[in-house]
Amino acid sequence: EDKVVQSPLSLVVHEGDTVTLNCSYEVTNFRSLLWYKQEKKAPTFLFMLTSSGIEKKSGRLSSILDKKELFSILNITATQTGDSAVYLCVINTGGFKTIFGAGTRLFVKA
Amino acid sequence: DVKVTQSSRYLVKRTGEKVFLECVQDMDHENMFWYRQDPGLGLRLIYFSYDVKMKEKGDIPEGYSVSREKKERFSLILESASTNQTSMYLCASSSKFTYNEQFFGPGTRLTVL
Repeated sequence: EDKVVQSPLSLVVHEGDTVTLNCSYEVTNFRSLLWYKQEKKAPTFLFMLTSSGIEKKSGRLSSILDKKELFSILNITATQTGDSAVYLCVINTGGFKTIFGAGTRLFVKA
Repeated sequence: DVKVTQSSRYLVKRTGEKVFLECVQDMDHENMFWYRQDPGLGLRLIYFSYDVKMKEKGDIPEGYSVSREKKERFSLILESASTNQTSMYLCASSSKFTYNEQFFGPGTRLTVL
């Protein structure tokens, strides 16, 4: 059975800390891995990763994929209170088939 | 600014009632999706549609049906609501060219009593 496991489930840090969120997966057919940020409302797209070892960066956020070890990490440096959200890891297994992880809830204290 | 809207943010219904959840997108996207989100389970796909009048079952279609009569609108129907359908329902859309990137609506929190 295909599955996506995120860890930790929740995390509390202080502003300015650096955090690493983990996503491991076991799927029969991997096409891409995506990260979303979900605040109070709709998830918003962060990154899509398809190739191993190539880091994607956007401001203080970065992500990398390891297709051999079947995981990805999402790094957030110099965290701010606005980073508080649930971060979702998603695997696309082909066409419209996507599998969502349960999410990591990040809370950044001022 | 791209937008996906859902008809209600909060909805309370009784067991056995018929429930309609509507989703509208203004991006001319071909693909539309309905998910439910439950704690510890992540988002699970109920149904999706890749064109008008076309629909495909997702992972958990039982107890639900959908309708897509117009490109911009995708409706989720609970024919006879049950308490285990209490959940957050999220609608999303994507372009057929960049189908990986989905744009989500704000969600409808449905409570079935």
